[in-house]
Amino acid sequence: DAKTTQPNSMESNEEEPVHLPCNHSTISGTDYIHWYRQLPSQGPEYVIHGLTSNVNNRMASLAIAEDRKSSTLILHRATLRDAAVYYCILVTETSGSRLTFGEGTQLTVNP
Amino acid sequence: GAVVSQHPSRVICKSGTSVKIECRSLDFQATTMFWYRQFPKQSLMLMATSNEGSKATYEQGVEKDKFLINHASLTLSTLTVTSAHPEDSSFYICSARDYVGWTEGNFIQYFGAGTRLSVL
Repeated sequence: DAKTTQPNSMESNEEEPVHLPCNHSTISGTDYIHWYRQLPSQGPEYVIHGLTSNVNNRMASLAIAEDRKSSTLILHRATLRDAAVYYCILVTETSGSRLTFGEGTQLTVNP
Repeated sequence: GAVVSQHPSRVICKSGTSVKIECRSLDFQATTMFWYRQFPKQSLMLMATSNEGSKATYEQGVEKDKFLINHASLTLSTLTVTSAHPEDSSFYICSARDYVGWTEGNFIQYFGAGTRLSVL
């Protein structure tokens, strides 16, 4: 499976932007970059996904590097409800397009 | 967004009994559904992929005779844990995929709220 590397944890203050990095140096041309998050004792929640261009939706923005070897999930104004584990996942055709979860980044939001 | 409903949210059973967990996609048809398991303080582990009308594909190390998966319709998949033992106690999460484009990776995957199984 194509691997991603994320920091184990990050902290932010409420109402400030948060930039969550992800490295995926082995990405290939058809691999999509997906982000999901999981709040405690809940199932994961879709955040955003993209292929080459930057993406925006109501939850977040996804900035993809020009060489596609890294990406950044941007939460524009963190709230306490954004405290969760964030997973950056490469979806590759060679692995059957599975969503394979790594350890993710634990985001703490301080009031 | 679309909703995946999972039931029950919690089940406690005696060792040796079987437990069925249901997963429904409420407002879209899911050709492909997934079952994950999560132990405390660990990440999600994919157990199996089920395609409507065909046999499930199990990940390496997952016993197909113990974890029976049925995906009989485009909106319903079930996981039955047969002859449950204490080591099967875990958080089970189902998921359904909704493709938003024609390419393989262009989808949104929706997750149920999970079922916490405790086997005594």
